Amino acid sequence: EPEVTQTPSHQVTQMGQEVILRCVPISNHLYFYWYRQILGQKVEFLVSFYNNEISEKSEIFDDQFSVERPDGSNFTLKIRSTKLEDSAMYFCASSESGGNQPQHFGDGTRLSIL
Amino acid sequence: GESVGLHLPTLSVQEGDNSIINCAYSNSASDYFIWYKQESGKGPQFIIDIRSNMDKRQGQRVTVLLNKTVKHLSLQIAATQPGDSAVYFCAENEGNTPLVFGKGTRLSVIA
Repeated sequence: EPEVTQTPSHQVTQMGQEVILRCVPISNHLYFYWYRQILGQKVEFLVSFYNNEISEKSEIFDDQFSVERPDGSNFTLKIRSTKLEDSAMYFCASSESGGNQPQHFGDGTRLSIL
Repeated sequence: GESVGLHLPTLSVQEGDNSIINCAYSNSASDYFIWYKQESGKGPQFIIDIRSNMDKRQGQRVTVLLNKTVKHLSLQIAATQPGDSAVYFCAENEGNTPLVFGKGTRLSVIA
């Protein structure tokens, strides 16, 4: 069964450094998403991406965050200057279309900021 | 703002019994609802979804019930197995808006 894959599984970074989290969505999916989950809390929406542009973003997704689809298969989340409070699980998801379609999630990247 | 929440944070059931996990939502305009299962160290795994024009949908061993009158969603798992132990999240959205997740219910299956 096709799945969303994310790398790395765990990223440890010094505060202030840039990180890039990588995702390969399911190949025929057109909508891509990033979510984060702080330990013990609920999953929070960050950004959605369609047709090579951001379609929606939350207030969490400030100027320190950016997303890119550099080629036909990868979808990346960059945090320019990490803060301690960026420590969380980051999940990528994809769906065939927007709206009433299930989003399929990867297993996440655990980001630890020191 | 609008939010989705769960009535119970933990649920323990005997193996073989049926489990019922509940969810309340507040956005009366929500038209799509979805249940995810999250095992330790894994991402949310899609279980079943339902659109607002339905009140019941069945999958393999799982049933989702939607009561729009009281804005309540439930997930029923038949003959619960140890492998069903996980955190279960409901989520909802309206049209193309982002999914809004609840806090989750931890299901523990007692062998």
